[in-house]
Amino acid sequence: DQQVKQNSPSLSVQEGRISILNCDYTNSMFDYFLWYKKYPAEGPTFLISISSIKDKNEDGRFTVFLNKSAKHLSLHIVPSQPGDSAVYFCAANDETSYDKVIFGPGTSLSVIP
Amino acid sequence: EPEVTQTPSHQVTQMGQEVILRCVPISNHLYFYWYRQILGQKVEFLVSFYNNEISEKSEIFDDQFSVERPDGSNFTLKIRSTKLEDSAMYFCAGKPQGSYNSPLHFGNGTRLTVT
Repeated sequence: DQQVKQNSPSLSVQEGRISILNCDYTNSMFDYFLWYKKYPAEGPTFLISISSIKDKNEDGRFTVFLNKSAKHLSLHIVPSQPGDSAVYFCAANDETSYDKVIFGPGTSLSVIP
Repeated sequence: EPEVTQTPSHQVTQMGQEVILRCVPISNHLYFYWYRQILGQKVEFLVSFYNNEISEKSEIFDDQFSVERPDGSNFTLKIRSTKLEDSAMYFCAGKPQGSYNSPLHFGNGTRLTVT
């Protein structure tokens, strides 16, 4: 039961270019979406979030776009830096079960110097 | 910056043995969670805990699992009789507020290996 999907297990990008990580969801009750970043041997770290009432949220080099009709969101990193190399998890929850954050399987991003 | 601290970082145990994974949450956090990640798979919700009781649990969190916060600081996950399929990274997490749009703060995890 994959409610949150990240169909690209890995992505390689040149330093300075844009990284685009995609996420699709199936549960129409989701109304809050988050991206977490995870380095090896560490726990996930919150990166950026977006509420379903918005279609874009920006924080420095990171922008998340939400397309509710398509049940799709994406994370843009511009410009990409080698330190951005990590696994990125898309996550979602809804008000009916706010304790339970549902994670996607993750996309491993490699930024090549 | 305050951190969520988990011990041990790696626990090896034999099948059928009991294990206790420990977590010290950030001091102003009121909501606590356990997640796990089996190698190569997604991060999965196990249980949430607030006001000294379980507020929600997943189907993974069966009778073999329990949580408690006995002394107001440590938050523990106990697995009574471990199985091979319990091998995973276990992450403790917390947040200060109950609002669903408050992000989780995770510890660095405990790698549990059941042999």
